[in-house]
Amino acid sequence: DGGITQSPKYLFRKEGQNVTLSCEQNLNHDAMYWYRQDPGQGLRLIYYSQIVNDFQKGDIAEGYSVSREKKESFPLTVTSAQKNPTAFYLCASSTKTSGANVLTFGAGSRLTVL
Amino acid sequence: AQSVTQPDIHITVSEGASLELRCNYSYGATPYLFWYVQSPGQGLQLLLKYFSGDTLVQGIKGFEAEFKRSQSSFNLRKPSVHWSDAAEYFCAVFSGSARQLTFGSGTQLTVLP
Repeated sequence: DGGITQSPKYLFRKEGQNVTLSCEQNLNHDAMYWYRQDPGQGLRLIYYSQIVNDFQKGDIAEGYSVSREKKESFPLTVTSAQKNPTAFYLCASSTKTSGANVLTFGAGSRLTVL
Repeated sequence: AQSVTQPDIHITVSEGASLELRCNYSYGATPYLFWYVQSPGQGLQLLLKYFSGDTLVQGIKGFEAEFKRSQSSFNLRKPSVHWSDAAEYFCAVFSGSARQLTFGSGTQLTVLP
C-alpha cells in the first residue's frame, strides 16, 4: 500500500543535540511538507518542497533544516538553535495540480527534549 | 495572507446527537477548503474538500460541510455522532499562489455515551 512513513515515532533528545526526523513516501508525489503541532495551536508549516533539490521556508523555519535529494525522501533536522523543539512533527506529501494540492499525512514523530 | 479560525476549542455532544463544527476563513480569492480529522497520536485524515461547484460537499464517515461565501464559513456537520467520532478536527484553506495549506487551531470533540 502507498503511504508516508515517518520515523522514529518517539524520539528523546538532550539539549544542544541535533536530531533528524525521517519522512519517506511511495505515493510518487512531487510536493512534500513538514508541519509542527503544539497543543491549541493547530499545525504550523516549517518547510515545504515542490520538487527535488528545491525547498522553501514556511512560517516557522528558524532552527530547522531540510534536504530534498530524492523525490521519495524529505528529512527534517531539528538543530540546537531551535529554542523549544518539543512537539509533534507531521510530514505530508501531495501531487501538484492546477488547483489545490490535497495533502496526505504520515503518522507523525513526537520529539521530546530532556 | 490567508487564515482560518475555529472558534470552538472543545465541544462535547452525546452519542446520537447532531454535530456542527464552525470554521471561518480569510482569503482573497476563491478558497480551496478542507476538513481533516486527527485521532490521538496519529496523523491527519482527509474528511472532505471544497474546490468549486455545489456548496454542500459530502465526505467520509457521514460528514458533510457547507461553503457559504457570504459568511466566509465552511462548517462541518454530522446528523448523528458516534463514539468513534471523538477526535480533533481541523479546518484548512489552501493558497493557490503560495501553494500552502493553512490550518485552524482545531476543535476537540468529546462524545458522551
